[in-house]
Amino acid sequence: NAGVMQNPRHLVRRRGQEARLRCSPMKGHSHVYWYRQLPEEGLKFMVYLQKENIIDESGMPKERFSAEFPKEGPSILRIQQVVRGDSAAYFCASPTGGNTGELFFGEGSRLTVL
Amino acid sequence: GENVEQHPSTLSVQEGDSAVIKCTYSDSASNYFPWYKQELGKRPQLIIDIRSNVGEKKDQRIAVTLNKTAKHFSLHITETQPEDSAVYFCAVAGSSNTGKLIFGQGTTLQVKP
Repeated sequence: NAGVMQNPRHLVRRRGQEARLRCSPMKGHSHVYWYRQLPEEGLKFMVYLQKENIIDESGMPKERFSAEFPKEGPSILRIQQVVRGDSAAYFCASPTGGNTGELFFGEGSRLTVL
Repeated sequence: GENVEQHPSTLSVQEGDSAVIKCTYSDSASNYFPWYKQELGKRPQLIIDIRSNVGEKKDQRIAVTLNKTAKHFSLHITETQPEDSAVYFCAVAGSSNTGKLIFGQGTTLQVKP
């Protein structure tokens, strides 16, 4: 079980550029949750997706942020025209299966906006 | 939506002492209450969880208690060790049935040798 795979682990962008973060859930699973963790803060829910479908995007900022989970390939969190305030760790999580309710987190992608 | 408050934000104890972290939540229909530990630069990892049909659960030095009437739950760590130093997050799965977890603000625990 390779767990939840996220890449890149670290990403540096200049203001105005685009950032793309990728997440592959646990093998055999088709649901992912994206969370954002600002420096020294908690985990804020952003979006919940299953393949080809956005289930809950209530935590997504209204502008510049989008997420998708295509039929083939990883889920992608896309941030357009990044600003310094977007600097954070972005975690992806996958349900572990069964009916436990547990979410298993990836190692995160740390975005730094210069 | 669900609101989760966690206290204290920082906690410093001597090695061997106990540590208690408390969380309150707002949605009385919430039914799943996990605790995650996050070491510096690492991913959050589940350490213990409890469901709404259980009042207390213990796993070695870690225990969680749940009071559904008062809508609060607590993490108890006994015989603390320096490796327990980390940030601890409580979370709540609400009634929306999406499996989404809402997290508390976190508690930074420092265990002094």
